[in-house]
Amino acid sequence: DTGVSQNPRHKITKRGQNVTFRCDPISEHNRLYWYRQTLGQGPEFLTYFQNEAQLEKSRLLSDRFSAERPKGSFSTLEIQRTEQGDSAMYLCARTGVDGETQYFGPGTRLLVL
Amino acid sequence: SQELEQSPQSLIVQEGKNLTINCTSSKTLYGLYWYKQKYGEGLIFLMMLQKGGEEKSHEKITAKLDEKKQQSSLHITASQPSHAGIYLCGADRGSQGNLIFGKGTKLSVKP
Repeated sequence: DTGVSQNPRHKITKRGQNVTFRCDPISEHNRLYWYRQTLGQGPEFLTYFQNEAQLEKSRLLSDRFSAERPKGSFSTLEIQRTEQGDSAMYLCARTGVDGETQYFGPGTRLLVL
Repeated sequence: SQELEQSPQSLIVQEGKNLTINCTSSKTLYGLYWYKQKYGEGLIFLMMLQKGGEEKSHEKITAKLDEKKQQSSLHITASQPSHAGIYLCGADRGSQGNLIFGKGTKLSVKP
């Protein structure tokens, strides 16, 4: 158990629809990261939060993407007007007690038709 | 070009054999992480290396960091089918903790 749950585990949607993913880490850890992974590639950083503050965003995070962490615990990632290129595994990670090591959730696999 | 290069891309070994996976960085390494991923699942943390020359072991897996060469290796002794999966190296670029990953090495272990 990595202390991170993600929902849903799988999502199939039609192009143009909006989708939202949720990440629930163990509450006492402060940093939360979102990554995207496509087939045959390693995860790519999207954004991260220190408590409820979003401190860094990758250029991969277009205007259609928005992430929140309203109370410094769970986080949501929303994609508006989905495109086929958004099909990927979306991974969430929390930091451990050392403040550095990242522990990943099981991911949400998105398929845009 | 890829900032972290992993080799080989894939590997098939007979159960009981030893194997090594390499991860080479084109930039200075501040911290190097090794993860294992089963298909369609999340990443499982294996080890973190921070200092040149550092070596860590967990069960039959040993990882080393050669800071001068900007390279890390992951060695598995007496491989088992349970070792099968994708091994990913990730580097901390010192930019508030976000990690950059290699493409992964797919390991298959034949019983």
